[in-house]
Amino acid sequence: KAGVTQTPRYLIKTRGQQVTLSCSPISGHRSVSWYQQTPGQGLQFLFEYFSETQRNKGNFPGRFSGRQFSNSRSEMNVSTLELGDSALYLCASSFRGTATDTQYFGPGTRLTVL
Amino acid sequence: EDQVTQSPEALRLQEGESSSLNCSYTVSGLRGLFWYRQDPGKGPEFLFTLYSAGEEKEKERLKATLTKKESFLHITAPKPEDSATYLCAVQSGGGGADGLTFGKGTHLIIQP
Repeated sequence: KAGVTQTPRYLIKTRGQQVTLSCSPISGHRSVSWYQQTPGQGLQFLFEYFSETQRNKGNFPGRFSGRQFSNSRSEMNVSTLELGDSALYLCASSFRGTATDTQYFGPGTRLTVL
Repeated sequence: EDQVTQSPEALRLQEGESSSLNCSYTVSGLRGLFWYRQDPGKGPEFLFTLYSAGEEKEKERLKATLTKKESFLHITAPKPEDSATYLCAVQSGGGGADGLTFGKGTHLIIQP
């Protein structure tokens, strides 16, 4: 069974631009969560989608948004990029998105903001 | 607010030298505790899920245990390929996936 895939793997943007990252979950998984990983803060939860609806959101500004499609694929968007947005963005999928479900992570997208 | 603290931050062992990594947590109603392994530049790789105090799970040289306040990841006779950052995360609260709360990780180096 194929794992979680993320595209692109690497991105370089400049301040003020916007970026869209894509995630394809494991086949049959309906929940997709997004996390930001930085050396200083570690892994932090951004938001979670299930059946095309955002169910939960972490403590991030409104510049961070996402959506999920009917095939469970998900995208996240960051508008008006800041230097501090440089990070590894990780997508994780789980079967039902319940609190006891295991989340499986993709390889991440490395975003560098110049 | 859920909190997860991992110790030590870094650990260097000789090949074959067994040790334990600690994960202390404070949550309002633990639904699950998860251990992941992360290699540089890659996403976290799932290792174990523990749901209740007293539970133990094993996989090759790794064994995870859980109490009401902490979890341990025991590494027996480690090999250089076990070198990685080990992450602990908790899921608490209601029925939905509110998002995992992660510790900062333990960076483990196994020297040949």
